Amino acid sequence: EIVMTQSPATLSVSPGERATLSCRASQSVSSNLAWYQQKPGQAPRLLIYGASTRATGIPARFSGSGSGTEFTLTISSLQSEDFAVYYCQQYNNWPMTFGQGTPLEIK
Amino acid sequence: EVQLVESGGGLVQPGGSLRLSCAASGFTLSSYSMNWVRQAPGKGLEWVSYISSTRSTIYYADSVKGRFTIFRDNAKNSLYLQMNSLRAEDTAVYYCARRGSEVLYNNWFDPWGQGTLVTVSS
Repeated sequence: EIVMTQSPATLSVSPGERATLSCRASQSVSSNLAWYQQKPGQAPRLLIYGASTRATGIPARFSGSGSGTEFTLTISSLQSEDFAVYYCQQYNNWPMTFGQGTPLEIK
Repeated sequence: EVQLVESGGGLVQPGGSLRLSCAASGFTLSSYSMNWVRQAPGKGLEWVSYISSTRSTIYYADSVKGRFTIFRDNAKNSLYLQMNSLRAEDTAVYYCARRGSEVLYNNWFDPWGQGTLVTVSS
């Protein structure tokens, strides 16, 4: 099973600033990686797939990069609605696995 | 609008059974592979099971293999998860989620239902 490790454990950023979240895979997952946003009491929402392709309706301030074992989600200028928990997921190998999540908090 | 609505959650005793349902609307369920994903209270996401559009391929997480059964009724546009021999550690919100696309490797999840809570406790 591929283990996905996200960092930092928690990220505190001020509105308007840039946020950078990381995700590392225990072995290569090529570009088969997705990012999700989850707000309290809500289902996760797909942000990025294929490591760097934004899902339909996702604002351009969200961007993904990386391949192999190292991936990054960047939010260029944080809006109030962006404070949430972010998960990465690999879908290169079965079973599909998620990172433990990074809460993004208001500083 | 594409929508998934889960139902069937509730309180069940350890060793008991429960069947979850997921009703799809806004798209033809038979054209898509589907998944169940769960989230224990205050915890992260765990993929549980996958069924292909034609039912020819089914996968389970090791944690539920032999106890859970995924199936679908394309005529009713519905997905199901039969859960037997339930344990306390199965307590979670269960989400159904559509596969991203039917192209090889495109196994991301989009969209997700709102989830249904399963609580296993005596």
